[in-house]
Amino acid sequence: GAVVSQHPSRVICKSGTSVKIECRSLDFQATTMFWYRQFPKQSLMLMATSNEGSKATYEQGVEKDKFLINHASLTLSTLTVTSAHPEDSSFYICSALRQDSFSGANVLTFGAGSRLTVL
Amino acid sequence: AQKITQTQPGMFVQEKEAVTLDCTYDTSDPSYGLFWYKQPSSGEMIFLIYQGSYDQQNATEGRYSLNFQKARKSANLVISASQLGDSAMYFCAMRGTGAGGTSYGKLTFGQGTILTVHP
Repeated sequence: GAVVSQHPSRVICKSGTSVKIECRSLDFQATTMFWYRQFPKQSLMLMATSNEGSKATYEQGVEKDKFLINHASLTLSTLTVTSAHPEDSSFYICSALRQDSFSGANVLTFGAGSRLTVL
Repeated sequence: AQKITQTQPGMFVQEKEAVTLDCTYDTSDPSYGLFWYKQPSSGEMIFLIYQGSYDQQNATEGRYSLNFQKARKSANLVISASQLGDSAMYFCAMRGTGAGGTSYGKLTFGQGTILTVHP
């Protein structure tokens, strides 16, 4: 089945540094990927939509200069948290659409997530 | 605007018993989709089941079934014959009507329900 791979799974960095998270679709091409953020014991919130070959679309309230998204190929999207601060510590999850073989619906397939801790 | 409400922060069930996780929603979209995801402690989001708003029959997939009551705007998840591996956080999510493929990636999630299965 369709698999989305995300790396790294955990990262710890110092305040002020930048961190890059990679999201790859392993056995399918994804012209669009989606980046979500989840705080501890809370729900997921869409941050931005990553579009292959064009600019990402950010949700309201998400700083595009802080969360840089690049979708350079049909199988890779990257999220870079620039000048990270402790409040950026969170669980970041990428996803891509696939067609569910059972229902036929377009379903989001998620990566395993990346837990960022900023000291 | 769309809203998903999961009123049960935590649920407990005995192994082999059935359990119902509640989900109510609110939307003005005439067409929408409802999803359930499972999030174990590892963090990955696992798709369980999908229900389209125009589907006449309740969705079922293995031990999972969705009790869809459109007039009540509820989409409860029923897990039959609970297993210890079912212990996880469960999220109900909704996708509304949208123009273009990118909107298919925008899900509104509920706050989640932590399910604990006792042996």
